[in-house]
Amino acid sequence: KAGVTQTPRYLIKTRGQQVTLSCSPISGHRSVSWYQQTPGQGLQFLFEYFSETQRNKGNFPGRFSGRQFSNSRSEMNVSTLELGDSALYLCASSLYLGRQETQYFGPGTRLLVL
Amino acid sequence: AQTVTQSQPEMSVQEAETVTLSCTYDTSESDYYLFWYKQPPSRQMILVIRQEAYKQQNATENRFSVNFQKAAKSFSLKISDSQLGDAAMYFCAYRSAVGTGNQFYFGTGTSLTVIP
Repeated sequence: KAGVTQTPRYLIKTRGQQVTLSCSPISGHRSVSWYQQTPGQGLQFLFEYFSETQRNKGNFPGRFSGRQFSNSRSEMNVSTLELGDSALYLCASSLYLGRQETQYFGPGTRLLVL
Repeated sequence: AQTVTQSQPEMSVQEAETVTLSCTYDTSESDYYLFWYKQPPSRQMILVIRQEAYKQQNATENRFSVNFQKAAKSFSLKISDSQLGDAAMYFCAYRSAVGTGNQFYFGTGTSLTVIP
Protein backbone atom coordinates (compact mmCIF):
# COMPACT_ATOMS: atom_id res chain seq x y z
CA LYS A 1 0.00 0.00 0.00
CA ALA A 2 1.37 3.39 -0.92
CA GLY A 3 2.25 5.71 1.93
CA VAL A 4 1.28 9.30 2.52
CA THR A 5 2.46 11.52 -0.30
CA GLN A 6 2.98 15.26 -0.22
CA THR A 7 3.58 17.67 -3.06
CA PRO A 8 5.60 19.63 -3.71
CA ARG A 9 8.58 18.49 -1.64
CA TYR A 10 10.32 21.84 -1.75
CA LEU A 11 9.01 25.32 -2.29
CA ILE A 12 10.51 28.80 -2.30
CA LYS A 13 8.23 31.80 -2.02
CA THR A 14 8.58 35.47 -1.19
CA ARG A 15 6.85 37.42 1.52
CA GLY A 16 3.26 38.33 0.73
CA GLN A 17 2.70 35.45 -1.66
CA GLN A 18 0.39 32.56 -1.00
CA VAL A 19 1.07 28.84 -1.23
CA THR A 20 -0.94 25.64 -1.50
CA LEU A 21 0.39 22.31 -0.30
CA SER A 22 -1.14 18.97 -1.13
CA CYS A 23 -1.40 15.71 0.76
CA SER A 24 -2.68 12.34 -0.40
CA PRO A 25 -3.37 9.98 2.50
CA ILE A 26 -2.93 6.24 2.58
CA SER A 27 -5.72 4.58 0.69
CA GLY A 28 -8.74 4.11 2.95
CA HIS A 29 -7.58 6.62 5.53
CA ARG A 30 -10.17 9.27 6.24
CA SER A 31 -8.42 11.49 8.76
CA VAL A 32 -5.75 13.93 7.63
CA SER A 33 -3.80 16.17 9.97
CA TRP A 34 -1.31 18.92 9.25
CA TYR A 35 1.67 19.97 11.35
CA GLN A 36 4.25 22.71 11.13
CA GLN A 37 7.73 21.70 12.20
CA THR A 38 10.40 24.25 13.01
CA PRO A 39 13.66 23.85 14.94
CA GLY A 40 12.54 26.18 17.69
CA GLN A 41 8.90 25.11 18.11
CA GLY A 42 8.98 21.43 17.26
CA LEU A 43 5.81 19.96 15.78
CA GLN A 44 2.80 22.18 16.09
CA PHE A 45 -0.66 21.02 15.16
CA LEU A 46 -2.37 23.04 12.45
CA PHE A 47 -5.67 21.25 11.81
CA GLU A 48 -7.32 17.92 11.21
CA TYR A 49 -9.88 16.95 8.62
CA PHE A 50 -12.21 13.99 8.61
CA SER A 51 -14.76 13.29 5.89
CA GLU A 52 -14.27 16.76 4.41
CA THR A 53 -14.92 18.48 7.75
CA GLN A 54 -12.42 20.29 9.91
CA ARG A 55 -12.65 18.69 13.35
CA ASN A 56 -9.77 20.32 15.17
CA LYS A 57 -7.75 23.45 14.69
CA GLY A 58 -4.52 24.49 16.32
CA ASN A 59 -3.49 27.94 17.43
CA PHE A 60 -2.52 29.43 14.09
CA PRO A 61 -3.72 32.66 12.44
CA GLY A 62 -6.45 32.65 9.86
CA ARG A 63 -3.85 32.90 7.10
CA PHE A 64 -3.54 29.14 7.49
CA SER A 65 -6.47 27.24 6.05
CA GLY A 66 -7.19 23.83 4.66
CA ARG A 67 -9.72 21.60 3.09
CA GLN A 68 -10.35 17.97 2.35
CA PHE A 69 -11.87 16.49 -0.76
CA SER A 70 -14.26 13.58 -1.10
CA ASN A 71 -11.35 11.26 -1.92
CA SER A 72 -9.72 12.28 1.39
CA ARG A 73 -6.95 14.21 -0.31
CA SER A 74 -6.22 17.41 1.55
CA GLU A 75 -4.74 20.78 0.79
CA MET A 76 -3.50 23.49 3.06
CA ASN A 77 -3.14 27.10 2.05
CA VAL A 78 -1.08 29.85 3.57
CA SER A 79 -1.84 33.36 2.43
CA THR A 80 0.26 36.50 2.83
CA LEU A 81 3.39 34.54 3.62
CA GLU A 82 5.73 35.76 6.34
CA LEU A 83 9.36 34.89 6.94
CA GLY A 84 8.33 32.95 10.04
CA ASP A 85 6.26 30.58 7.93
CA SER A 86 9.45 28.94 6.71
CA ALA A 87 9.16 25.39 8.01
CA LEU A 88 8.66 21.75 7.21
CA TYR A 89 4.96 21.06 6.79
CA LEU A 90 4.00 17.51 7.60
CA CYS A 91 0.81 15.74 6.72
CA ALA A 92 -0.35 12.63 8.56
CA SER A 93 -3.21 10.27 7.87
CA SER A 94 -4.99 7.72 9.98
CA LEU A 95 -7.70 5.16 9.48
CA TYR A 96 -9.73 6.37 12.44
CA LEU A 97 -11.67 3.16 12.79
CA GLY A 98 -12.37 2.04 16.32
CA ARG A 99 -9.11 2.22 18.20
CA GLN A 100 -6.88 2.26 15.12
CA GLU A 101 -5.59 5.73 15.80
CA THR A 102 -1.99 5.63 14.65
CA GLN A 103 -0.96 8.49 12.41
CA TYR A 104 1.29 7.84 9.43
CA PHE A 105 3.34 10.73 8.18
CA GLY A 106 4.31 11.90 4.74
CA PRO A 107 7.81 13.11 3.84
CA GLY A 108 6.83 16.75 4.27
CA THR A 109 7.00 19.91 2.20
CA ARG A 110 9.92 22.18 2.94
CA LEU A 111 8.77 25.80 2.54
CA LEU A 112 11.27 28.63 2.44
CA VAL A 113 9.95 32.18 2.53
CA LEU A 114 12.37 34.87 1.37
CA ALA B 1 -4.49 21.04 26.67
CA GLN B 2 -2.26 18.08 27.20
CA THR B 3 1.49 18.62 27.32
CA VAL B 4 4.29 16.25 26.49
CA THR B 5 7.79 16.83 27.84
CA GLN B 6 11.02 15.34 26.63
CA SER B 7 13.70 16.60 28.96
CA GLN B 8 16.67 15.22 27.04
CA PRO B 9 17.33 17.32 23.92
CA GLU B 10 20.29 15.13 22.97
CA MET B 11 21.45 11.63 23.85
CA SER B 12 24.26 9.43 22.63
CA VAL B 13 24.86 5.69 22.83
CA GLN B 14 27.59 3.32 21.79
CA GLU B 15 26.68 0.89 19.06
CA ALA B 16 25.29 -2.36 20.52
CA GLU B 17 24.55 -0.72 23.86
CA THR B 18 21.18 0.17 25.38
CA VAL B 19 19.74 3.65 25.72
CA THR B 20 16.57 4.97 27.34
CA LEU B 21 14.77 8.09 26.19
CA SER B 22 12.47 9.82 28.65
CA CYS B 23 9.01 11.25 28.17
CA THR B 24 6.48 12.60 30.62
CA TYR B 25 3.02 13.92 29.91
CA ASP B 26 0.32 15.80 31.67
CA THR B 27 -3.33 14.83 31.34
CA SER B 28 -6.46 14.46 33.39
CA GLU B 29 -7.82 11.75 31.10
CA SER B 30 -7.70 8.06 31.86
CA ASP B 31 -7.97 6.68 28.34
CA TYR B 32 -5.38 7.70 25.78
CA TYR B 33 -2.63 6.50 23.49
CA LEU B 34 1.08 7.15 23.60
CA PHE B 35 3.50 6.88 20.73
CA TRP B 36 7.15 7.09 19.93
CA TYR B 37 8.03 8.33 16.47
CA LYS B 38 11.44 8.38 14.84
CA GLN B 39 12.53 11.03 12.35
CA PRO B 40 15.81 10.16 10.61
CA PRO B 41 17.80 12.80 8.76
CA SER B 42 15.74 12.03 5.63
CA ARG B 43 12.84 13.65 7.55
CA GLN B 44 10.23 10.91 7.09
CA MET B 45 8.53 10.40 10.44
CA ILE B 46 8.18 6.71 11.26
CA LEU B 47 6.12 5.08 13.98
CA VAL B 48 8.34 3.14 16.38
CA ILE B 49 5.91 1.89 18.99
CA ARG B 50 2.53 2.65 20.50
CA GLN B 51 0.93 2.03 23.88
CA GLU B 52 -2.72 2.10 24.90
CA ALA B 53 -3.23 3.47 28.36
CA TYR B 54 -5.73 0.81 29.41
CA LYS B 55 -3.19 -1.93 28.73
CA GLN B 56 -0.89 -2.52 31.66
CA GLN B 57 1.58 -4.57 29.67
CA ASN B 58 4.43 -2.58 28.19
CA ALA B 59 4.57 -2.59 24.41
CA THR B 60 7.52 -4.16 22.64
CA GLU B 61 8.64 -4.07 19.01
CA ASN B 62 11.82 -6.05 18.40
CA ARG B 63 14.67 -4.01 19.96
CA PHE B 64 12.30 -1.24 21.07
CA SER B 65 10.33 -1.40 24.29
CA VAL B 66 8.59 1.06 26.53
CA ASN B 67 8.31 1.51 30.27
CA PHE B 68 4.81 2.87 30.79
CA GLN B 69 4.13 4.18 34.27
CA LYS B 70 0.57 5.48 34.17
CA ALA B 71 0.45 6.84 37.71
CA ALA B 72 3.68 8.72 37.19
CA LYS B 73 2.61 9.78 33.67
CA SER B 74 5.88 8.53 32.31
CA PHE B 75 6.52 6.79 28.99
CA SER B 76 10.16 6.01 28.30
CA LEU B 77 11.58 4.27 25.25
CA LYS B 78 14.34 1.70 25.57
CA ILE B 79 16.43 0.83 22.55
CA SER B 80 18.47 -2.34 22.96
CA ASP B 81 21.47 -3.36 20.87
CA SER B 82 21.63 0.12 19.31
CA GLN B 83 22.45 0.27 15.63
CA LEU B 84 23.80 3.08 13.48
CA GLY B 85 20.42 3.27 11.76
CA ASP B 86 18.80 4.19 15.06
CA ALA B 87 20.37 7.64 14.87
CA ALA B 88 17.48 10.06 14.53
CA MET B 89 15.24 12.52 16.31
CA TYR B 90 12.74 10.72 18.52
CA PHE B 91 9.39 12.25 19.37
CA CYS B 92 7.01 11.19 22.08
CA ALA B 93 3.34 11.84 21.33
CA TYR B 94 0.00 11.72 23.14
CA ARG B 95 -3.48 11.29 21.76
CA SER B 96 -6.71 11.29 23.70
CA ALA B 97 -9.03 8.30 23.26
CA VAL B 98 -12.16 10.22 24.18
CA GLY B 99 -14.31 12.43 22.03
CA THR B 100 -13.94 13.15 18.37
CA GLY B 101 -10.88 14.53 16.77
CA ASN B 102 -7.49 13.04 16.18
CA GLN B 103 -5.13 15.66 17.58
CA PHE B 104 -1.70 14.49 18.59
CA TYR B 105 0.46 16.37 21.06
CA PHE B 106 4.20 16.02 20.50
CA GLY B 107 7.19 16.57 22.70
CA THR B 108 10.09 18.65 21.48
CA GLY B 109 12.14 15.62 20.58
CA THR B 110 15.38 13.92 21.59
CA SER B 111 18.23 13.74 19.11
CA LEU B 112 19.92 10.36 19.38
CA THR B 113 23.49 9.86 18.18
CA VAL B 114 24.86 6.35 17.80
CA ILE B 115 28.62 6.13 18.18
CA PRO B 116 30.36 3.38 16.19
